[in-house]
Amino acid sequence: KNQVEQSPQSLIILEGKNCTLQCNYTVSPFSNLRWYKQDTGRGPVSLTIMTFSENTKSNGRYTATLDADTKQSSLHITASQLSDSASYICVVSGEGGGGYNKLIFGAGTRLAVHP
Amino acid sequence: ETGVTQSPTHLIKTRGQQVTLRCSSQSGHNTVSWYQQALGQGPQFIFQYYREEENGRGNFPPRFSGLQFPNYSSELNVNALELDDSALYLCASRPGASGRAGETQYFGPGTRLLVL
Repeated sequence: KNQVEQSPQSLIILEGKNCTLQCNYTVSPFSNLRWYKQDTGRGPVSLTIMTFSENTKSNGRYTATLDADTKQSSLHITASQLSDSASYICVVSGEGGGGYNKLIFGAGTRLAVHP
Repeated sequence: ETGVTQSPTHLIKTRGQQVTLRCSSQSGHNTVSWYQQALGQGPQFIFQYYREEENGRGNFPPRFSGLQFPNYSSELNVNALELDDSALYLCASRPGASGRAGETQYFGPGTRLLVL
């Protein structure tokens, strides 16, 4: 069964600290993996996207890694800011029948950054 | 802002009623997907429309249906509403049908539906 599991479910850190969020997946075949940030009550916004051949991708203070062999990804946030408080969702893309793309979403990690 | 808009922002319905949610995709995007996101959960794929035709569907019953118009805007219709249909409904657009590497989906802000 195609699944995406994220850990931890929630996380509280102090402003300025670093943190790492984890994503394990069993989606096959694999096309790409994306990390999204979702503020409360808003739609998700893309942070990074990585294909099978990429093992790291950065976007400002966000750095994503991908190990396609172990089917694991992580999102590292450096020098956290209050505005980083949000849910971070890992999304794995497989190829659906008929040529459409099938996205499998994780349940997200809810991050709270405190002053 | 992603350029994807949804209406209405909030909606309250009663069990058994029907609802229509609307989405305007980002300019130049011909593929629209709809997702249901229950509280505290990740989005679940409902279906996808490409050039006015449904070309992918998740595990949702037929009472969830949709339309895509020539301008690529889209509607999600839900008949015979149930309490469990209460969720945030997200619309996302992208420029192509395949969603291959390099194509990012742009999400709208969502419509929050409450079924009483």
